[in-house]
Amino acid sequence: QVQLQESGPGLVKPSQTLSLTCSVSGGSINSGDYYWSWIRHPAGKELEWIGRIWTSGATIYNPSLASRVTISLDTSKNQFSLTLSSAIAADTAVYYCARLVDVRLFDYWGQGTPVTVSS
Amino acid sequence: QSALTQPASVSGSPGQSITISCTGTSSDVGAYNYVSWYQHHPGKAPKLMIYAVTNRPSDISNRFSGSKSGNTASLTISGLQAEDEADYYCTSYTGINPYYVFGPGTKVTVL
Repeated sequence: QVQLQESGPGLVKPSQTLSLTCSVSGGSINSGDYYWSWIRHPAGKELEWIGRIWTSGATIYNPSLASRVTISLDTSKNQFSLTLSSAIAADTAVYYCARLVDVRLFDYWGQGTPVTVSS
Repeated sequence: QSALTQPASVSGSPGQSITISCTGTSSDVGAYNYVSWYQHHPGKAPKLMIYAVTNRPSDISNRFSGSKSGNTASLTISGLQAEDEADYYCTSYTGINPYYVFGPGTKVTVL
């Protein structure tokens, strides 16, 4: 059974960088069969897809966040990470990592980690 | 891309059937048979219930079923049980970046 677990600071100051890590167990992130993705859910709003990365390191980001987002892989630790620079209050959300199958289906998710951007 | 539309809440008594709608556009739900449904109990990982409109993962009860007509997809839960009480989200592939749109979620209450 594949499991994903997000980790990182729950509080980030405005203008600083938000950094989160997703640890994957029960499967290798090096498998070329899957993409790895980040999604966020601001309170009272819809879920928002942030971006995805493939085992080659190729990334695609949501255009609304592309100028501030980086997703990277650490295959030695079976983890992938999210960094969001110049954080603003609107980045306050629960952040989820998820596995993406065949580009079109999120089949496994982490339980999410809340991040608040506030001074 | 606009978000998908779902009812805020749906309720039913144990044993009854309920249906949750998910309305998009001809660019997402109407264009692709890649609508998925997720069950989310607060504090837990969202769980895949239906994928590709009608398909059910092997570990999901056949009480859950999906369908689509035009730009609207639907999730039906039959034989409602107390454990079905949760938030349900739909998502659709869009084919153009951003590649995925989500609904706001529907809170299912078992009376």
